[in-house]
Amino acid sequence: DGGITQSPKYLFRKEGQNVTLSCEQNLNHDAMYWYRQDPGQGLRLIYYSQIVNDFQKGDIAEGYSVSREKKESFPLTVTSAQKNPTAFYLCASSILAGRETQYFGPGTRLLVL
Amino acid sequence: GIQVEQSPPDLILQEGANSTLRCNFSDSVNNLQWFHQNPWGQLINLFYIPSGTKQNGRLSATTVATERYSLLYISSSQTTDSGVYFCAVVPSGTYKYIFGTGTRLKVLA
Repeated sequence: DGGITQSPKYLFRKEGQNVTLSCEQNLNHDAMYWYRQDPGQGLRLIYYSQIVNDFQKGDIAEGYSVSREKKESFPLTVTSAQKNPTAFYLCASSILAGRETQYFGPGTRLLVL
Repeated sequence: GIQVEQSPPDLILQEGANSTLRCNFSDSVNNLQWFHQNPWGQLINLFYIPSGTKQNGRLSATTVATERYSLLYISSSQTTDSGVYFCAVVPSGTYKYIFGTGTRLKVLA
């Protein structure tokens, strides 16, 4: 089945620790996105990538980093510089950036211990 | 930057009722989508509708881009329709999706 997978489903982070969230898609989409959702709020864009080896900051990129070495994969690292990382993280993809339908993965819930 | 406002923020319906959700945006857009977020957090595509009208079963949507709004109609609502409905737009000249504030819908049996 084609789709977007995210892992893990739940992730716990200790103070000062970097953690990496995985996002994989087999839809052959060029564009991929990371969003953050806080409880009771909408989605805010962290980073997006229009094509392999290219990515741009979204509205809340501070304290996060990404890479796009393969078309299928767009991992997100939450660094220790992100002081309030507890949130629901959603990955998405589309055929082209900003065009056509955007599809979402199931999300990763990150909690700080 | 563009503002995307949804109304109403909260809506409670009896099963079988109809409803209209609204998405207003403050600038021109190239793309507009409606999503349903279920209680487990999964975002489900409802419509890709930068302009015009589309229907899918009990749901339909209309976007009037020149007047900067979109409407989502839900007919004969069911308890499984409960959740949060988001619209998302791509402002003209950009590639970034901007999400609206959401409408939280609860359908009572």
